[in-house]
Amino acid sequence: GESVGLHLPTLSVQEGDNSIINCAYSNSASDYFIWYKQESGKGPQFIIDIRSNMDKRQGQRVTVLLNKTVKHLSLQIAATQPGDSAVYFCAGEKLTFGTGTRLTIIP
Amino acid sequence: DTEVTQTPKHLVMGMTNKKSLKCEQHMGHRAMYWYKQKAKKPPELMFVYSYEKLSINESVPSRFSPECPNSSLLNLHLHALQPEDSALYLCASSQDDYRSISSYNEQFFGPGTRLTVL
Repeated sequence: GESVGLHLPTLSVQEGDNSIINCAYSNSASDYFIWYKQESGKGPQFIIDIRSNMDKRQGQRVTVLLNKTVKHLSLQIAATQPGDSAVYFCAGEKLTFGTGTRLTIIP
Repeated sequence: DTEVTQTPKHLVMGMTNKKSLKCEQHMGHRAMYWYKQKAKKPPELMFVYSYEKLSINESVPSRFSPECPNSSLLNLHLHALQPEDSALYLCASSQDDYRSISSYNEQFFGPGTRLTVL
């Protein structure tokens, strides 16, 4: 079956610095991954996705890297802002969510 | 309109009650989803509807009964729930079924219904 997990439950980053949130998955046949952001009191919000035929995908201030060899993906957020404070989830193609990393931006 | 709305925002019910959660979207999306999220846990997929037909039921107990009356509406009927069913129930929609290889399977989530079962 599909299993995704996140490496750190919490991460604190200084405002303006870059953040890196990591996620591992177990099924080497997984073809599609999604990153979500969930702010307190709100539903998850799609950030970016990536398919297994890509190693990297960039969005606005975010980059997702996929390393199929070690079954690992990461979300990089550039120049973090207070509004980036949230819980970040990775999810696989069967919509199984990882455990989440709470990102706190320190002013 | 790029919003998924859910009603009610909060619901308290007893174990013998029957209630329904409602979800609506007017983005023309053809797939709709129900998730359950316990406190400090990730969302767990419950049901997927694609083109108004139930396509995935993640072994959800029969006390939860989904219904898709039309392409814009998704209901979750609740009956004889247990206190451990207390959670945030999230609805989402996407233009295409998430299993498609198109670029249009981004999910849009509603704010959720906070359910408490006494």
